[in-house]
Amino acid sequence: TQLLEQSPQFLSIQEGENLTVYCNSSSVFSSLQWYRQEPGEGPVLLVTVVTGGEVKKLKRLTFQFGDARKDSSLHITAAQPGDTGLYLCAGGTSYGKLTFGQGTILTVHP
Amino acid sequence: GAVVSQHPSWVICKSGTSVKIECRSLDFQATTMFWYRQFPKQSLMLMATSNEGSKATYEQGVEKDKFLINHASLTLSTLTVTSAHPEDSSFYICSAVTNYGYTFGSGTRLTVV
Repeated sequence: TQLLEQSPQFLSIQEGENLTVYCNSSSVFSSLQWYRQEPGEGPVLLVTVVTGGEVKKLKRLTFQFGDARKDSSLHITAAQPGDTGLYLCAGGTSYGKLTFGQGTILTVHP
Repeated sequence: GAVVSQHPSWVICKSGTSVKIECRSLDFQATTMFWYRQFPKQSLMLMATSNEGSKATYEQGVEKDKFLINHASLTLSTLTVTSAHPEDSSFYICSAVTNYGYTFGSGTRLTVV
Protein backbone atom coordinates (compact mmCIF):
# COMPACT_ATOMS: atom_id res chain seq x y z
CA THR A 1 0.00 0.00 0.00
CA GLN A 2 1.38 3.39 -0.98
CA LEU A 3 1.09 6.06 1.69
CA LEU A 4 1.53 9.80 1.51
CA GLU A 5 2.38 11.62 4.72
CA GLN A 6 1.21 15.21 4.54
CA SER A 7 2.21 17.83 7.07
CA PRO A 8 1.28 19.90 8.86
CA GLN A 9 -2.35 18.91 9.31
CA PHE A 10 -3.36 22.34 10.55
CA LEU A 11 -1.84 25.71 9.79
CA SER A 12 -3.12 29.01 11.14
CA ILE A 13 -1.23 32.10 10.02
CA GLN A 14 -1.59 35.81 9.54
CA GLU A 15 -2.10 37.47 6.19
CA GLY A 16 1.22 38.16 4.49
CA GLU A 17 3.11 35.24 6.00
CA ASN A 18 4.71 32.46 3.98
CA LEU A 19 4.04 28.78 4.47
CA THR A 20 5.09 25.39 3.20
CA VAL A 21 3.15 22.13 3.12
CA TYR A 22 4.98 18.84 2.67
CA CYS A 23 4.07 15.46 1.26
CA ASN A 24 6.41 12.55 1.79
CA SER A 25 6.32 8.90 0.86
CA SER A 26 8.56 5.87 0.75
CA SER A 27 7.01 4.99 -2.61
CA VAL A 28 7.64 6.41 -6.05
CA PHE A 29 4.69 8.01 -7.80
CA SER A 30 4.26 8.50 -11.52
CA SER A 31 2.83 11.93 -10.80
CA LEU A 32 1.89 14.08 -7.88
CA GLN A 33 -1.00 16.46 -7.76
CA TRP A 34 -2.04 19.23 -5.43
CA TYR A 35 -5.68 20.11 -4.85
CA ARG A 36 -7.56 22.76 -2.94
CA GLN A 37 -10.96 21.98 -1.53
CA GLU A 38 -13.62 24.31 -0.16
CA PRO A 39 -16.21 23.00 2.35
CA GLY A 40 -19.05 21.17 0.64
CA GLU A 41 -17.31 21.02 -2.72
CA GLY A 42 -15.09 18.62 -4.61
CA PRO A 43 -11.32 19.10 -4.81
CA VAL A 44 -10.03 21.44 -7.48
CA LEU A 45 -6.74 20.65 -9.16
CA LEU A 46 -3.98 23.22 -8.65
CA VAL A 47 -1.08 21.52 -10.37
CA THR A 48 0.33 18.20 -11.56
CA VAL A 49 4.03 17.47 -11.41
CA VAL A 50 5.46 14.46 -13.21
CA THR A 51 9.22 14.92 -13.54
CA GLY A 52 11.65 14.42 -10.66
CA GLY A 53 13.02 17.80 -9.59
CA GLU A 54 10.26 19.68 -11.35
CA VAL A 55 9.27 23.09 -10.04
CA LYS A 56 6.04 24.79 -11.07
CA LYS A 57 4.79 28.22 -10.14
CA LEU A 58 1.21 29.38 -10.04
CA LYS A 59 1.17 33.05 -9.02
CA ARG A 60 2.10 32.97 -5.31
CA LEU A 61 2.17 29.17 -5.16
CA THR A 62 5.33 27.18 -5.86
CA PHE A 63 5.24 23.40 -6.21
CA GLN A 64 8.22 21.09 -6.14
CA PHE A 65 8.52 17.40 -6.94
CA GLY A 66 11.43 15.60 -5.35
CA ASP A 67 14.20 14.21 -7.50
CA ALA A 68 13.22 10.66 -6.58
CA ARG A 69 9.51 11.38 -7.14
CA LYS A 70 8.71 10.39 -3.55
CA ASP A 71 8.02 13.78 -2.05
CA SER A 72 6.60 17.16 -2.90
CA SER A 73 6.07 20.56 -1.35
CA LEU A 74 3.71 23.47 -1.78
CA HIS A 75 4.97 26.91 -0.81
CA ILE A 76 2.66 29.90 -0.59
CA THR A 77 4.15 33.36 -0.49
CA ALA A 78 2.37 36.26 1.20
CA ALA A 79 -0.72 34.24 2.10
CA GLN A 80 -4.10 35.89 1.80
CA PRO A 81 -7.43 35.10 3.49
CA GLY A 82 -8.65 33.78 0.14
CA ASP A 83 -6.04 31.03 0.37
CA THR A 84 -7.93 29.50 3.29
CA GLY A 85 -9.01 25.94 2.58
CA LEU A 86 -8.08 22.28 2.67
CA TYR A 87 -4.99 21.46 0.63
CA LEU A 88 -4.51 17.89 -0.52
CA CYS A 89 -1.60 16.19 -2.18
CA ALA A 90 -2.27 13.05 -4.18
CA GLY A 91 0.09 10.57 -5.76
CA GLY A 92 -0.78 8.92 -9.04
CA THR A 93 0.06 5.38 -10.01
CA SER A 94 0.34 3.71 -13.37
CA TYR A 95 -2.99 1.92 -12.83
CA GLY A 96 -4.95 5.10 -12.30
CA LYS A 97 -5.60 5.23 -8.57
CA LEU A 98 -4.85 8.34 -6.57
CA THR A 99 -3.42 8.10 -3.08
CA PHE A 100 -4.27 11.15 -1.02
CA GLY A 101 -2.33 12.67 1.82
CA GLN A 102 -4.11 13.47 5.07
CA GLY A 103 -4.71 17.05 4.02
CA THR A 104 -3.69 20.41 5.46
CA ILE A 105 -6.32 22.80 6.76
CA LEU A 106 -4.98 26.29 6.16
CA THR A 107 -6.52 29.31 7.83
CA VAL A 108 -5.22 32.75 6.91
CA HIS A 109 -6.34 35.48 9.28
CA PRO A 110 -6.75 39.05 7.99
CA GLY B 1 -12.71 20.88 -19.85
CA ALA B 2 -14.23 17.66 -18.65
CA VAL B 3 -17.08 17.95 -16.16
CA VAL B 4 -18.49 15.39 -13.77
CA SER B 5 -21.97 16.23 -12.55
CA GLN B 6 -22.84 14.72 -9.17
CA HIS B 7 -26.34 14.58 -7.69
CA PRO B 8 -27.78 15.14 -5.24
CA SER B 9 -25.62 17.76 -3.52
CA TRP B 10 -27.07 16.82 -0.20
CA VAL B 11 -29.56 14.30 1.09
CA ILE B 12 -31.11 13.50 4.43
CA CYS B 13 -32.57 10.04 4.89
CA LYS B 14 -33.95 7.89 7.66
CA SER B 15 -32.04 4.96 9.10
CA GLY B 16 -32.72 1.78 7.20
CA THR B 17 -33.48 3.41 3.88
CA SER B 18 -31.31 3.42 0.75
CA VAL B 19 -29.85 6.41 -1.04
CA LYS B 20 -28.57 6.59 -4.59
CA ILE B 21 -25.88 9.03 -5.67
CA GLU B 22 -25.29 9.67 -9.37
CA CYS B 23 -22.24 10.85 -11.21
CA ARG B 24 -22.49 11.75 -14.87
CA SER B 25 -19.69 12.65 -17.21
CA LEU B 26 -21.11 15.50 -19.27
CA ASP B 27 -18.73 15.90 -22.19
CA PHE B 28 -16.58 12.80 -22.14
CA GLN B 29 -16.81 9.07 -21.65
CA ALA B 30 -15.76 7.83 -18.26
CA THR B 31 -14.53 4.27 -18.51
CA THR B 32 -13.47 4.37 -14.88
CA MET B 33 -15.02 6.20 -11.95
CA PHE B 34 -13.54 6.39 -8.48
CA TRP B 35 -15.74 6.78 -5.41
CA TYR B 36 -14.42 8.45 -2.28
CA ARG B 37 -15.69 9.10 1.20
CA GLN B 38 -14.61 12.09 3.25
CA PHE B 39 -15.25 12.86 6.90
CA PRO B 40 -15.18 16.45 8.19
CA LYS B 41 -11.73 18.02 8.08
CA GLN B 42 -10.20 14.82 6.79
CA SER B 43 -8.82 13.66 3.49
CA LEU B 44 -10.49 11.56 0.80
CA MET B 45 -10.60 7.83 1.29
CA LEU B 46 -11.00 5.68 -1.79
CA MET B 47 -13.93 3.33 -1.42
CA ALA B 48 -14.11 1.63 -4.78
CA THR B 49 -13.24 1.81 -8.45
CA SER B 50 -16.00 1.25 -10.95
CA ASN B 51 -15.40 0.20 -14.52
CA GLU B 52 -18.00 0.43 -17.23
CA GLY B 53 -19.58 -2.94 -17.89
CA SER B 54 -17.82 -4.85 -15.13
CA LYS B 55 -17.92 -5.30 -11.39
CA ALA B 56 -16.52 -2.62 -9.15
CA THR B 57 -13.32 -3.15 -7.22
CA TYR B 58 -13.68 -2.33 -3.53
CA GLU B 59 -10.94 -1.19 -1.19
CA GLN B 60 -10.18 -3.24 1.87
CA GLY B 61 -12.73 -2.75 4.61
CA VAL B 62 -15.48 -1.39 2.35
CA GLU B 63 -18.63 -3.51 2.38
CA LYS B 64 -19.61 -4.23 -1.21
CA ASP B 65 -23.12 -5.28 -0.22
CA LYS B 66 -23.69 -2.00 1.57
CA PHE B 67 -22.19 0.32 -1.01
CA LEU B 68 -23.54 -0.86 -4.34
CA ILE B 69 -21.83 0.57 -7.39
CA ASN B 70 -23.23 0.42 -10.89
CA HIS B 71 -21.44 1.66 -13.99
CA ALA B 72 -23.80 0.58 -16.73
CA SER B 73 -22.81 3.21 -19.27
CA LEU B 74 -19.81 5.31 -20.18
CA THR B 75 -21.48 8.43 -18.84
CA LEU B 76 -23.14 7.27 -15.63
CA SER B 77 -21.91 5.67 -12.44
CA THR B 78 -24.05 5.32 -9.34
CA LEU B 79 -23.34 4.59 -5.69
CA THR B 80 -26.21 3.26 -3.60
CA VAL B 81 -25.87 3.27 0.17
CA THR B 82 -28.17 0.49 1.29
CA SER B 83 -29.81 0.27 4.71
CA ALA B 84 -28.15 3.48 5.73
CA HIS B 85 -27.19 4.11 9.33
CA PRO B 86 -26.04 7.31 11.06
CA GLU B 87 -22.41 6.18 10.83
CA ASP B 88 -22.76 6.27 7.03
CA SER B 89 -23.24 10.03 7.24
CA SER B 90 -20.39 11.52 5.28
CA PHE B 91 -19.37 13.44 2.16
CA TYR B 92 -19.21 11.19 -0.90
CA ILE B 93 -17.27 12.28 -3.99
CA CYS B 94 -16.79 10.68 -7.39
CA SER B 95 -13.89 11.22 -9.75
CA ALA B 96 -13.12 10.27 -13.31
CA VAL B 97 -9.92 10.17 -15.30
CA THR B 98 -9.99 12.42 -18.34
CA ASN B 99 -7.57 13.70 -20.92
CA TYR B 100 -7.02 16.63 -18.57
CA GLY B 101 -6.34 14.49 -15.52
CA TYR B 102 -8.68 13.66 -12.69
CA THR B 103 -12.01 15.48 -12.54
CA PHE B 104 -14.06 15.43 -9.36
CA GLY B 105 -17.77 15.74 -8.82
CA SER B 106 -19.01 18.41 -6.44
CA GLY B 107 -19.78 15.86 -3.75
CA THR B 108 -22.88 14.63 -1.91
CA ARG B 109 -23.43 15.36 1.76
CA LEU B 110 -25.34 12.38 3.19
CA THR B 111 -26.96 12.71 6.59
CA VAL B 112 -28.69 9.67 8.04
CA VAL B 113 -31.07 10.40 10.90
